[in-house]
Amino acid sequence: GAGVSQSPSNKVTEKGKDVELRCDPISGHTALYWYRQSLGQGLEFLIYFQGNSAPDKSGLPSDRFSAERTGGSVSTLTIQRTQQEDSAVYLCASSLGISGGNTGELFFGEGSRLTVL
Amino acid sequence: SQQGEEDPQALSIQEGENATMNCSYKTSINNLQWYRQNSGRGLVHLILIRSNEREKHSGRLRVTLDTSKKSSSLLITASRAADTASYFCATVFYNQGGKLIFGQGTELSVKP
Repeated sequence: GAGVSQSPSNKVTEKGKDVELRCDPISGHTALYWYRQSLGQGLEFLIYFQGNSAPDKSGLPSDRFSAERTGGSVSTLTIQRTQQEDSAVYLCASSLGISGGNTGELFFGEGSRLTVL
Repeated sequence: SQQGEEDPQALSIQEGENATMNCSYKTSINNLQWYRQNSGRGLVHLILIRSNEREKHSGRLRVTLDTSKKSSSLLITASRAADTASYFCATVFYNQGGKLIFGQGTELSVKP
């Protein structure tokens, strides 16, 4: 696609329910990132993928959070048993990575706003 | 934490003035990037400076990098009301395969 696409753009859920957030990166981008941004805050790194593997999962806040990427393309971030503190905007970004002279510039989606009631 | 630290957290200026934002980081980097975020939107890449560069220009943007002090600054000259946004620095770590860590950002308000 022309840009990074995220869905849903808005999600309201009840505490305790599971949610899935989807990211469709730019075609050909090998690296894919998930960040979380609370209101008025900076970006909190969650996880990044190089291809289908995740070299760094250090940012996932708890074992309720998981992510996968299939076919080197679409990624899904799953939050199980959601809590109110999970409410935030979840941003996905993709890049060509830093191999082969690439600079790792990120292209962001518009985010998925999650509200847990 | 390897996260960049930015200052000021908020900056309010008049149109036509220059805006300077600073970013510090803690470990060796591959490159440093600046991004802009309009309220409620995704981030947009502005400019990148590599670890072996000291200064770079793009239009009204000037970025400097001092690797000895582990700091960078972003200067926006002749600011406009449309420059109102949050600005983030992001560091790319050489030994972590391109992982980007963002600072907390500077919220810039340019008053007409």
